[in-house]
Amino acid sequence: QVKLLQSGAALVKPGASVKMSCKASGYTFTDYWVSWVKQSHGKSLEWIGEIYPNSGATNFNEKFKGKATLTVDKSTSTAYMELSRLTSEDSAIYYCTRGRRALYFDYWGQGVMVTVSS
Amino acid sequence: DTVLTQSPALAVSLGQRVTISCRASKSVSTYMHWYQQKSGQQPKLLIYSASNLESGVPSRFSGSGSGTDFTLTIDPVEADDIANYYCQQSNELPLTFGSGTKLEIK
Repeated sequence: QVKLLQSGAALVKPGASVKMSCKASGYTFTDYWVSWVKQSHGKSLEWIGEIYPNSGATNFNEKFKGKATLTVDKSTSTAYMELSRLTSEDSAIYYCTRGRRALYFDYWGQGVMVTVSS
Repeated sequence: DTVLTQSPALAVSLGQRVTISCRASKSVSTYMHWYQQKSGQQPKLLIYSASNLESGVPSRFSGSGSGTDFTLTIDPVEADDIANYYCQQSNELPLTFGSGTKLEIK
Protein backbone atom coordinates (compact mmCIF):
# COMPACT_ATOMS: atom_id res chain seq x y z
CA GLN A 1 0.00 0.00 0.00
CA VAL A 2 1.08 3.56 -0.65
CA LYS A 3 2.77 5.24 2.28
CA LEU A 4 4.52 8.54 2.80
CA LEU A 5 6.60 8.50 5.96
CA GLN A 6 7.85 11.86 7.13
CA SER A 7 10.67 12.72 9.50
CA GLY A 8 10.12 13.78 13.07
CA ALA A 9 9.23 17.09 14.66
CA ALA A 10 11.83 19.83 14.70
CA LEU A 11 12.57 22.68 17.08
CA VAL A 12 14.78 25.26 15.41
CA LYS A 13 16.09 28.71 16.20
CA PRO A 14 15.11 31.82 14.28
CA GLY A 15 17.35 32.42 11.31
CA ALA A 16 18.31 28.76 11.01
CA SER A 17 17.29 26.20 8.39
CA VAL A 18 15.51 22.87 8.66
CA LYS A 19 15.42 19.95 6.24
CA MET A 20 12.67 17.36 6.41
CA SER A 21 12.19 14.10 4.57
CA CYS A 22 9.34 12.13 3.06
CA LYS A 23 10.01 8.47 2.24
CA ALA A 24 7.63 6.96 -0.28
CA SER A 25 6.74 3.30 -0.58
CA GLY A 26 4.17 1.14 -2.29
CA TYR A 27 4.34 2.81 -5.69
CA THR A 28 6.81 3.88 -8.36
CA PHE A 29 8.30 7.01 -6.86
CA THR A 30 9.35 8.53 -10.17
CA ASP A 31 5.86 8.37 -11.68
CA TYR A 32 4.14 10.94 -9.46
CA TRP A 33 4.73 14.53 -8.42
CA VAL A 34 5.38 15.16 -4.73
CA SER A 35 3.88 18.33 -3.30
CA TRP A 36 4.45 20.00 0.04
CA VAL A 37 1.66 21.70 1.96
CA LYS A 38 1.84 24.00 5.00
CA GLN A 39 -0.75 24.16 7.74
CA SER A 40 -0.27 26.85 10.33
CA HIS A 41 -1.84 26.22 13.73
CA GLY A 42 -5.60 26.11 13.48
CA LYS A 43 -5.52 27.45 9.95
CA SER A 44 -6.03 26.31 6.42
CA LEU A 45 -3.69 24.68 3.95
CA GLU A 46 -1.14 26.36 1.72
CA TRP A 47 0.54 24.73 -1.25
CA ILE A 48 4.28 25.33 -1.16
CA GLY A 49 5.42 23.63 -4.33
CA GLU A 50 5.97 20.35 -6.10
CA ILE A 51 8.75 18.26 -7.56
CA TYR A 52 8.71 15.54 -10.20
CA PRO A 53 11.18 12.90 -9.03
CA ASN A 54 11.86 11.54 -12.49
CA SER A 55 13.33 14.79 -13.77
CA GLY A 56 13.73 16.99 -10.72
CA ALA A 57 11.44 19.62 -12.27
CA THR A 58 9.79 21.90 -9.75
CA ASN A 59 6.96 24.39 -9.50
CA PHE A 60 6.56 26.81 -6.61
CA ASN A 61 4.00 29.05 -5.05
CA GLU A 62 5.61 32.50 -5.47
CA LYS A 63 5.12 33.06 -1.75
CA PHE A 64 7.59 30.29 -0.94
CA LYS A 65 10.25 30.96 -3.56
CA GLY A 66 13.49 31.57 -1.74
CA LYS A 67 12.06 29.98 1.40
CA ALA A 68 11.69 26.35 0.33
CA THR A 69 14.05 24.09 -1.60
CA LEU A 70 12.76 20.77 -2.93
CA THR A 71 14.97 17.81 -3.79
CA VAL A 72 14.65 14.06 -4.19
CA ASP A 73 16.83 10.99 -3.85
CA LYS A 74 15.55 8.49 -6.36
CA SER A 75 17.74 5.71 -4.96
CA THR A 76 15.83 5.78 -1.66
CA SER A 77 12.45 7.08 -2.95
CA THR A 78 12.74 10.03 -0.62
CA ALA A 79 11.72 13.64 -1.14
CA TYR A 80 13.17 16.48 0.87
CA MET A 81 12.16 20.01 1.68
CA GLU A 82 14.52 22.53 3.22
CA LEU A 83 13.20 25.75 4.71
CA SER A 84 15.66 28.57 5.21
CA ARG A 85 15.90 31.78 7.29
CA LEU A 86 13.22 30.57 9.62
CA THR A 87 10.94 32.94 11.52
CA SER A 88 7.98 32.38 13.81
CA GLU A 89 5.76 32.57 10.72
CA ASP A 90 7.29 29.29 9.58
CA SER A 91 6.07 27.43 12.68
CA ALA A 92 3.53 24.99 11.25
CA ILE A 93 2.84 21.42 10.24
CA TYR A 94 4.28 20.49 6.87
CA TYR A 95 2.82 17.65 4.83
CA CYS A 96 4.21 15.86 1.82
CA THR A 97 1.65 14.53 -0.61
CA ARG A 98 1.47 12.44 -3.74
CA GLY A 99 0.05 14.36 -6.63
CA ARG A 100 -2.21 12.82 -9.21
CA ARG A 101 -2.35 13.91 -12.86
CA ALA A 102 -4.99 16.58 -12.31
CA LEU A 103 -2.96 18.06 -9.47
CA TYR A 104 -4.81 16.79 -6.46
CA PHE A 105 -3.43 14.80 -3.59
CA ASP A 106 -4.42 11.20 -3.00
CA TYR A 107 -1.93 10.30 -0.28
CA TRP A 108 -0.53 12.43 2.52
CA GLY A 109 2.30 11.96 4.94
CA GLN A 110 1.59 12.20 8.65
CA GLY A 111 3.04 15.70 8.81
CA VAL A 112 6.08 17.30 10.43
CA MET A 113 5.61 19.90 13.12
CA VAL A 114 8.21 22.62 12.91
CA THR A 115 8.53 25.03 15.82
CA VAL A 116 10.70 28.11 15.44
CA SER A 117 11.72 29.44 18.81
CA SER A 118 14.81 30.74 20.55
CA ASP B 1 -4.34 33.54 -7.33
CA THR B 2 -7.70 31.76 -7.25
CA VAL B 3 -9.41 32.39 -3.93
CA LEU B 4 -11.76 29.72 -2.63
CA THR B 5 -14.45 30.81 -0.17
CA GLN B 6 -16.12 28.41 2.27
CA SER B 7 -18.52 28.96 5.16
CA PRO B 8 -16.60 28.67 8.45
CA ALA B 9 -18.91 26.18 10.15
CA LEU B 10 -22.07 24.15 9.77
CA ALA B 11 -24.17 22.32 12.35
CA VAL B 12 -26.21 19.31 11.34
CA SER B 13 -28.18 16.55 13.04
CA LEU B 14 -27.06 12.97 12.68
CA GLY B 15 -28.84 11.19 9.86
CA GLN B 16 -29.58 14.40 8.01
CA ARG B 17 -28.16 15.70 4.77
CA VAL B 18 -25.59 18.48 4.68
CA THR B 19 -24.15 20.47 1.81
CA ILE B 20 -20.83 22.26 2.12
CA SER B 21 -20.19 24.96 -0.43
CA CYS B 22 -17.06 26.33 -2.05
CA ARG B 23 -17.02 29.35 -4.34
CA ALA B 24 -14.04 30.18 -6.55
CA SER B 25 -13.02 33.72 -7.45
CA LYS B 26 -12.71 32.67 -11.11
CA SER B 27 -13.75 29.66 -13.10
CA VAL B 28 -11.83 26.47 -12.33
CA SER B 29 -13.82 24.27 -14.73
CA THR B 30 -14.16 20.99 -12.83
CA TYR B 31 -10.68 21.11 -11.31
CA MET B 32 -12.07 21.13 -7.78
CA HIS B 33 -11.29 18.56 -5.12
CA TRP B 34 -12.46 17.94 -1.56
CA TYR B 35 -10.63 16.76 1.54
CA GLN B 36 -11.65 15.76 5.03
CA GLN B 37 -9.37 16.49 7.95
CA LYS B 38 -10.14 15.06 11.36
CA SER B 39 -8.56 16.52 14.48
CA GLY B 40 -4.88 15.66 14.71
CA GLN B 41 -4.78 13.85 11.37
CA GLN B 42 -3.62 14.59 7.87
CA PRO B 43 -6.20 15.51 5.23
CA LYS B 44 -7.89 12.71 3.30
CA LEU B 45 -9.07 12.93 -0.30
CA LEU B 46 -12.83 12.46 -0.69
CA ILE B 47 -13.79 13.80 -4.10
CA TYR B 48 -11.65 14.65 -7.11
CA SER B 49 -12.47 16.61 -10.23
CA ALA B 50 -15.69 17.97 -8.76
CA SER B 51 -17.74 14.79 -8.69
CA ASN B 52 -15.57 11.67 -8.65
CA LEU B 53 -15.61 9.61 -5.47
CA GLU B 54 -12.15 8.53 -4.37
CA SER B 55 -11.73 4.79 -3.96
CA GLY B 56 -12.66 3.60 -0.48
CA VAL B 57 -14.69 6.67 0.41
CA PRO B 58 -18.28 5.91 1.48
CA SER B 59 -20.97 6.62 -1.06
CA ARG B 60 -22.59 8.98 1.48
CA PHE B 61 -20.20 11.56 0.10
CA SER B 62 -20.83 13.19 -3.26
CA GLY B 63 -19.67 16.28 -5.09
CA SER B 64 -21.09 18.54 -7.76
CA GLY B 65 -20.50 21.80 -9.54
CA SER B 66 -18.46 23.44 -12.26
CA GLY B 67 -17.10 26.86 -13.01
CA THR B 68 -17.17 28.81 -9.75
CA ASP B 69 -19.71 27.04 -7.53
CA PHE B 70 -19.20 23.65 -5.98
CA THR B 71 -20.79 21.56 -3.28
CA LEU B 72 -19.86 18.58 -1.18
CA THR B 73 -22.86 16.63 0.10
CA ILE B 74 -22.93 14.15 2.93
CA ASP B 75 -26.13 12.12 3.16
CA PRO B 76 -26.74 10.84 5.73
CA VAL B 77 -24.33 12.44 8.19
CA GLU B 78 -22.71 10.09 10.68
CA ALA B 79 -20.86 10.89 13.90
CA ASP B 80 -17.59 9.89 12.23
CA ASP B 81 -17.99 12.77 9.77
CA ILE B 82 -17.10 15.40 12.37
CA ALA B 83 -14.15 17.13 10.75
CA ASN B 84 -12.96 20.09 8.77
CA TYR B 85 -13.63 19.98 5.04
CA TYR B 86 -11.45 21.76 2.51
CA CYS B 87 -11.86 22.42 -1.18
CA GLN B 88 -8.81 22.75 -3.44
CA GLN B 89 -8.53 23.97 -7.02
CA SER B 90 -6.02 22.78 -9.58
CA ASN B 91 -7.07 24.85 -12.57
CA GLU B 92 -4.04 27.09 -12.22
CA LEU B 93 -0.90 27.50 -10.18
CA PRO B 94 -0.53 28.20 -7.39
CA LEU B 95 -2.79 25.45 -6.20
CA THR B 96 -5.05 26.91 -3.53
CA PHE B 97 -7.29 25.64 -0.77
CA GLY B 98 -10.42 27.03 0.79
CA SER B 99 -10.35 28.20 4.38
CA GLY B 100 -12.24 25.12 5.48
CA THR B 101 -15.70 24.34 6.85
CA LYS B 102 -15.99 22.84 10.31
CA LEU B 103 -18.81 20.33 10.51
CA GLU B 104 -20.45 20.13 13.90
CA ILE B 105 -23.26 17.99 15.23
CA LYS B 106 -26.35 19.68 16.67
